[in-house]
Amino acid sequence: GDSVTQMEGPVTLSEEAFLTINCTYTATGYPSLFWYVQYPGEGLQLLLKATKADDKGSNKGFEATYRKETTSFHLEKGSVQVSDSAVYFCALTAYGNKLVFGAGTILRVKS
Amino acid sequence: DSGVTQTPKHLITATGQRVTLRCSPRSGDLSVYWYQQSLDQGLQFLIQYYNGEERAKGNILERFSAQQFPDLHSELNLSSLELGDSALYFCASSVGAGGTYEQYFGPGTRLTVT
Repeated sequence: GDSVTQMEGPVTLSEEAFLTINCTYTATGYPSLFWYVQYPGEGLQLLLKATKADDKGSNKGFEATYRKETTSFHLEKGSVQVSDSAVYFCALTAYGNKLVFGAGTILRVKS
Repeated sequence: DSGVTQTPKHLITATGQRVTLRCSPRSGDLSVYWYQQSLDQGLQFLIQYYNGEERAKGNILERFSAQQFPDLHSELNLSSLELGDSALYFCASSVGAGGTYEQYFGPGTRLTVT
């Protein structure tokens, strides 16, 4: 079945460091790919999405590129802030409408 | 604020009981989804409704049921509750039913079964 694998956390970075959170997927067909973020005590917020190969999603300084050849959708940000501390979920929808989520990666940013 | 509302925010109940979780989608959204988030299982899709009709089913237990009403709000009913049902339950909504539509999540209902 469809699945998403994310790098295990927690990831701890200093402010202004470069962030990469790896995400790879397995899916039949051509999935749409998403990154969601969950701040402490809150629900999930859509961060960015890409619906076809080579699409780049971007929002709030975060970006991810849909790479069909490596079945990857890695999340990057050039300079993280303390306010970016949260749990990040990579997810996909393939045939059907349900979101299939990765396990989540905790990001901690120190000042 | 996503525009999706869920009530109650917290629920504490005993094993064997029955509870109802409520969700109001964003204005204009026809599709409602329910997800369960637990420490051992992560985020799991339970069920989807589109304009009042069940559209997709995931790992939803037989003790759980849901419906979407004519005003498009949805309720998730959990019965014969067990300790393992303790989790965060999220509702999400989207404009359409297909997989390319963005799903917007509510703040969740935290269920604790004692």
